[in-house]
Amino acid sequence: QVQLVESGGGLVKPGGSLRLSCAASGFTFSDYYMSWIRQAPGKGLEWVSYIESSSSYTNYADSMKGRFTISRDNAKQSLYLQMNSLRAEDTAVYYCARVYLINDSLMHAFDIWGQGTMVTVSS
Amino acid sequence: QSALTQPASVSGSPGQSITISCTGTRSDVGGYNYVSWYQQHPGKAPRLMIYAVNNRPSGVSDRFSGSKSGNTASLTISGLQAEDEADYYCTSYTYSDTWLFGGGTKLTVL
Repeated sequence: QVQLVESGGGLVKPGGSLRLSCAASGFTFSDYYMSWIRQAPGKGLEWVSYIESSSSYTNYADSMKGRFTISRDNAKQSLYLQMNSLRAEDTAVYYCARVYLINDSLMHAFDIWGQGTMVTVSS
Repeated sequence: QSALTQPASVSGSPGQSITISCTGTRSDVGGYNYVSWYQQHPGKAPRLMIYAVNNRPSGVSDRFSGSKSGNTASLTISGLQAEDEADYYCTSYTYSDTWLFGGGTKLTVL
């Protein structure tokens, strides 16, 4: 079935780095834009970044620009998020999500979500 | 960019209808017909309930409907059921090719 599975979360010190992965299955990964979305403990959802299907374009939320890098490997059906210069406020569950596509038209919504991976930034 | 504005909480009795609002600006909600709504139960991943303002993905009950007027979008749930109790989030695509989420609304079914 269509599935996204995140990994790579953990405890990291402020200023440290972490690389998250998201393994996709059950659909043609290379057809879809993908995104990362996060949720701090007890807080709401916050969009982080997206990447176009062939990696030709990416974009980030302002607070992540210059610190986070999104990438993908279509051959491995995988999405990544490299996070550098981590801060306490980056502590959150990080979800990867598929951007909804209907008949090659982007619906600018997120139709498939992983279960998330927890990132804790603390000394 | 500031988050979209949603009420912190709404409540209703089984069988009733409730509406959750989501207010943005001309640069997001008002400028694009790309508002979507998500349901999130505790400890679970969000689930897409409405996309492109008023469209339901396959498998979502027709008790859920969406609309938009100007800079404000709305999610209406009719015939409230106990399992509808959850957090609901709106999001909109924006002029800067990003997405903005609302702060979330906790729905309590009395």
